[in-house]
Amino acid sequence: AAGVIQSPRHLIKEKRETATLKCYPIPRHDTVYWYQQGPGQDPQFLISFYEKMQSDKGSIPDRFSAQQFSDYHSELNMSSLELGDSALYFCASSFGTQRREQYFGPGTRLTVT
Amino acid sequence: AQSVTQLDSHVSVSEGTPVLLRCNYSSSYSPSLFWYVQHPNKGLQLLLKYTSAATLVKGINGFEAEFKKSETSFHLTKPSAHMSDAAEYFCVVSPYTGTASKLTFGTGTRLQVTL
Repeated sequence: AAGVIQSPRHLIKEKRETATLKCYPIPRHDTVYWYQQGPGQDPQFLISFYEKMQSDKGSIPDRFSAQQFSDYHSELNMSSLELGDSALYFCASSFGTQRREQYFGPGTRLTVT
Repeated sequence: AQSVTQLDSHVSVSEGTPVLLRCNYSSSYSPSLFWYVQHPNKGLQLLLKYTSAATLVKGINGFEAEFKKSETSFHLTKPSAHMSDAAEYFCVVSPYTGTASKLTFGTGTRLQVTL
């Protein structure tokens, strides 16, 4: 079965640079979520989109922005990167939003040096 | 607001013995509850979910969990541990209503399986 695809899988950036993470949801899934997992931490919700509209916002820094496109893929844009942004970034998708299980991608490991 | 508390940060069992990973939840409404597993350097895999249907939920790889409202618990169990079960397990809660069904994770329980 098709799964959530994230690219790139690994990314190394320097401080103050920008990064763009991409997420391709499972076919027919209309909702995308972004989570950040720091080293040894549990995943923290950043932001979600339902039918291309932002549906909820969590602890996402103002330096970050995201959007969902007409083909339902999503991109997380991160600017002015800081060392503390180094983490595993997960994208998840679901069909609908209420009480629906979310299926996670393999994650993008971002390292900021 | 909803939250989950995983009572053990680390659990060690011998292969072939039962597994019990404990989770208590807090929610104003009837929540959706999930267990996810994360193997080292891997993504998150859904083990099972509870969404107000049967209180005993069966998942993949022989895992199951029982929703107990009176105890606000959703403990994960498996009759016989296998070496491949060694991983980080997250108890997760999602709100009952709204379009913002974000997941709130517990702090995780690392399961170690020894020979």
